[in-house]
Amino acid sequence: AQSVAQPEDQVNVAEGNPLTVKCTYSVSGNPYLFWYVQYPNRGLQFLLKYITGDNLVKGSYGFEAEFNKSQTSFHLKKPSALVSDSALYFCAVRTSNSGYALNFGKGTSLLVTP
Amino acid sequence: DAGVIQSPRHEVTEMGQEVTLRCKPISGHNSLFWYRQTMMRGLELLIYFNNNVPIDDSGMPEDRFSAKMPNASFSTLKIQPSEPRDSAVYFCASSLRVGREKADTQYFGPGTRLTVL
Repeated sequence: AQSVAQPEDQVNVAEGNPLTVKCTYSVSGNPYLFWYVQYPNRGLQFLLKYITGDNLVKGSYGFEAEFNKSQTSFHLKKPSALVSDSALYFCAVRTSNSGYALNFGKGTSLLVTP
Repeated sequence: DAGVIQSPRHEVTEMGQEVTLRCKPISGHNSLFWYRQTMMRGLELLIYFNNNVPIDDSGMPEDRFSAKMPNASFSTLKIQPSEPRDSAVYFCASSLRVGREKADTQYFGPGTRLTVL
């Protein structure tokens, strides 16, 4: 079985401060890890993914994520948060020997205050 | 480039009625996914097509749900008859899958918000 956990329902951060949205995974085999963002009444937008290679992955809108195999984590980060980053963030996992679905976490709501 | 297109964006219907949701994937993509999002269960895969062929429909809740992909640029998800518990946001996603790898990125449409009264 494969799964991801997003331990925080909500993250609050002040504009200009760094932000971190946490994700841990549980898989058998090598994981393919993804981050998506969902704005109200919109679909999910792809931010970045880790397949193999460099543990630090850079993605859209200044976001990045670090793959940590020993801690089975893939936390999403941004050095300086914007109010417009406020949205729902989803971590997802797949493996090469798993099914075709992306297995999503329950999501973390990010609120960036001015 | 146009992304994944879904219609309608909102659908309100009465219990027992037939509902058809439509999806146009990104041109050139060979894989199409239907997901359902609810507060209780989060995002769940309903069915996956590859090259227009249904590969995995294990997530389809019951016989009331059916999906088709008559060509590479169109797919439908039909619920007949609909029930209040089908109320959810239904997303279509597409990707370009190369060989047997599962590292492809799925791109999501805006979703259809279905309310069954």
